[in-house]
Amino acid sequence: SQQGEEDPQALSIQEGENATMNCSYKTSINNLQWYRQNSGRGLVHLILIRSNEREKHSGRLRVTLDTSKKSSSLLITASRAADTASYFCATDERGQISRLTFGEGTQLTVNP
Amino acid sequence: DTAVSQTPKYLVTQMGNDKSIKCEQNLGHDTMYWYKQDSKKFLKIMFSYNNKELIINETVPNRFSPKSPDKAHLNLHINSLELGDSAVYFCASSRGHTGELFFGEGSRLTVL
Repeated sequence: SQQGEEDPQALSIQEGENATMNCSYKTSINNLQWYRQNSGRGLVHLILIRSNEREKHSGRLRVTLDTSKKSSSLLITASRAADTASYFCATDERGQISRLTFGEGTQLTVNP
Repeated sequence: DTAVSQTPKYLVTQMGNDKSIKCEQNLGHDTMYWYKQDSKKFLKIMFSYNNKELIINETVPNRFSPKSPDKAHLNLHINSLELGDSAVYFCASSRGHTGELFFGEGSRLTVL
């Protein structure tokens, strides 16, 4: 069964606004990661949060993890047109090795 | 300088043909992967290799045969191509089993 599901599927905002994307998953995890994919390009790792962490920051990115609700959120503050991309969460399931399971992604469009 | 490089970037071929995609990483990682991304951007793992040994074969038809001649290379050969094989194939690598993935730029396969 599919592990990660992102919400919303698509998000359109103006430059300068904040963007929040959510991810839900089904099983116990070791860590959760967020990736960005620009159109026609490969995925780029943004941030990793471990199962014993609740919040993590990296520049304009803030990630939260609630293992009791099996959910995570990615907040991008002060968005820029260059943030336009698809964003994916990926989970590293406990008991599995060498396997990251990706969600369906959120398409973020930041209008200048 | 490219960390994970895969060739070719585009591949257009007829049903029934055999084709290969090559991948090389210069990051010194010991784990390499093939992921398939469909037209809805859903990303699914196909294979994982650790130190040239197959770790994951995710119920992929045996028309798909990965080969890892050494830790830095993981190639994908596809026999008897079908329309449903049309997708973008991503190679990735990681240090160990559960860390950040580094992706190539993808190889878009179109089967006519």
